[in-house]
Amino acid sequence: AAGVIQSPRHLIKEKRETATLKCYPIPRHDTVYWYQQGPGQDPQFLISFYEKMQSDKGSIPDRFSAQQFSDYHSELNMSSLELGDSALYFCASSLGRTGTGDGYTFGSGTRLTVV
Amino acid sequence: AQTVTQSQPEMSVQEAETVTLSCTYDTSESNYYLFWYKQPPSRQMILVIRQEAYKQQNATENRFSVNFQKAAKSFSLKISDSQLGDTAMYFCAFMKQYSGAGSYQLTFGKGTKLSVIP
Repeated sequence: AAGVIQSPRHLIKEKRETATLKCYPIPRHDTVYWYQQGPGQDPQFLISFYEKMQSDKGSIPDRFSAQQFSDYHSELNMSSLELGDSALYFCASSLGRTGTGDGYTFGSGTRLTVV
Repeated sequence: AQTVTQSQPEMSVQEAETVTLSCTYDTSESNYYLFWYKQPPSRQMILVIRQEAYKQQNATENRFSVNFQKAAKSFSLKISDSQLGDTAMYFCAFMKQYSGAGSYQLTFGKGTKLSVIP
């Protein structure tokens, strides 16, 4: 079965650079979520999209922006990167905003390292 | 806002033994879902088991079962016949049931690191 695809798998950037993370949801899933997981931390919700519109916003810095495109894939754009942005970034998708209670399906994550 | 608390940062269990991971939560919602996710060293976040709050029957998935106590807001995970592949970080998570506008993010606990010892 198709899963949630995230790219790239690993990314190394220098401070003040920009980064773009991509997420391709499971086919027919209309909702995408972005989470940030720092080292040894639990995942923190950043932002979500339902039917290509932002549906919820969490602790996403103003330096970050995201969108969901017509094919339902999503991109997280991160500018003016800081050392503290080093983390694992998860994308998850679901059918409907709560996945009919099945929870989300997570991608394998993008490991971002800012040096 | 919801909070999820996992009071055991680390646990260990002998292979083939049984272990229980604790989770408590706080919410004013009456309809919601609870989940246990497993994150092995490969870092993939894998759904282990889910429970709908309106169901009194505890969910079971093979060697994994939960003890859901709604009044006590407790949702523990029992792993029977522990296997080496169960070694992972386990996160308890909460999501409210859909009711129109609002936030439907997953709220996670801090996690419990489980080590299965040969």
